[in-house]
Amino acid sequence: EPEVTQTPSHQVTQMGQEVILRCVPISNHLYFYWYRQILGQKVEFLVSFYNNEISEKSEIFDDRFSVERPDGSNFTLKIRSTKLEDSAMYFCASSATSGKTDTQYFGPGTRLTVL
Amino acid sequence: LAKTTQPISMDSYEGQEVNITCSHNNIATNDYITWYQQFPSQGPRFIIQGYKTKVTNEVASLFIPADRKSSTLSLPRVSLSDTAVYYCLVGDWDTGRRALTFGSGTRLQVQP
Repeated sequence: EPEVTQTPSHQVTQMGQEVILRCVPISNHLYFYWYRQILGQKVEFLVSFYNNEISEKSEIFDDRFSVERPDGSNFTLKIRSTKLEDSAMYFCASSATSGKTDTQYFGPGTRLTVL
Repeated sequence: LAKTTQPISMDSYEGQEVNITCSHNNIATNDYITWYQQFPSQGPRFIIQGYKTKVTNEVASLFIPADRKSSTLSLPRVSLSDTAVYYCLVGDWDTGRRALTFGSGTRLQVQP
């Protein structure tokens, strides 16, 4: 069964540094998402991406965050000037269509630790 | 977006049937009901989705009464590996707003 993959599984960075989290969505999917989950808290939506542009974003996705699909297979989340409160599990997801019953498939996550 | 309410936690034993009920009193006409499962340190995983009546797949059944103000996820004969958090989500994902809004979910603990 096709899967969403994410690298690295764990990223440690110093506050103020930039990080790039990488995702390879399922190959025929058209919609891509990033979510995050702070330890012990809810899964929170960050951004959705379709047709090479952001289609929706949450308040969490401030101007330090950006997404890109650089080569038609990878989907990346960049966080500039990282803060301690960015420490969380970041999940990438993808979905195939725009239908009501479309399913989002999540990757295993990248644990980001900001020191 | 319809607000959902589900129990914070449930306990069960292996081999039992588990029913998790979710309330969504202000569900809209076009909303669908979707359940996701999340194991520790993993991403959520789609379990089942429905609009009304009953839906069954190889993993679970979803029961939705006629008024659609609640839904029940039924897991037959649970095993230890069903220990996870289960999320009930309600929404109309055909409107251009595709973000999934997760609540706190129901933490199911299955014991031997």
